[in-house]
Amino acid sequence: QVQLVESGGGVVQPGRSLRLSCVASGFTFSSSGMHWVRQAPGKGLEWVALVSLDESFKNYADSVKGRVTISRDNSKNTLYLQINNLRPEDTAVYYCARDLNLLLDYWGQGTLVTVSS
Amino acid sequence: DIQMTQSPSSLSAFVGDRVTVTCRAGQDISNYLAWYQQKPGKVPRLLIYAASTLQSGVPSRFSGSGSGTEFTLTINSLQPEDVATYYCQRYNTALALAFGGGTKVEIK
Repeated sequence: QVQLVESGGGVVQPGRSLRLSCVASGFTFSSSGMHWVRQAPGKGLEWVALVSLDESFKNYADSVKGRVTISRDNSKNTLYLQINNLRPEDTAVYYCARDLNLLLDYWGQGTLVTVSS
Repeated sequence: DIQMTQSPSSLSAFVGDRVTVTCRAGQDISNYLAWYQQKPGKVPRLLIYAASTLQSGVPSRFSGSGSGTEFTLTINSLQPEDVATYYCQRYNTALALAFGGGTKVEIK
């Protein structure tokens, strides 16, 4: 069955950087685009980034553009999200999700990023 | 404008009631509208896509309608297990993906 397992979250000071990972299994990772979505505590879902199956296309939400990089390693079945210059408003659970024609059909359990001094 | 506006932000209804949630797009998105359900403490789940097509395994009491800029999610005969927050998502282009703000559905 499809499994997505995120890691890399934690407590980070403002201005620092963090790289999140998402390991995929149960499907052909190299054949699927992938998303990152975040959810601040008690708030709604915010789409963050999308990468195509071969990294030829990437897109980002305006709120993170310039500070965030989505990437993938198909040889490791792993998706990444690099977040630089972290701000308190980046505090959220970060989910990776599989793309199905721009729908998000499978989601991981999420990893919590807390930005605090 | 890629914003998606949901209303109401929350609602409370009795078991067995019909519940309606509305989602408005800032521009015409044809039928590229999906609904997700997020139960308390759980991961979001794809419920409906193409405005009205139920994802496999979704109970038939859920339905979706609309096109263009106005869409509706309806739960016929609300059940206790439907307590959740519901989000709409536009997906007409990879350059403008966005979720609505969510509608929290509770039982009276």
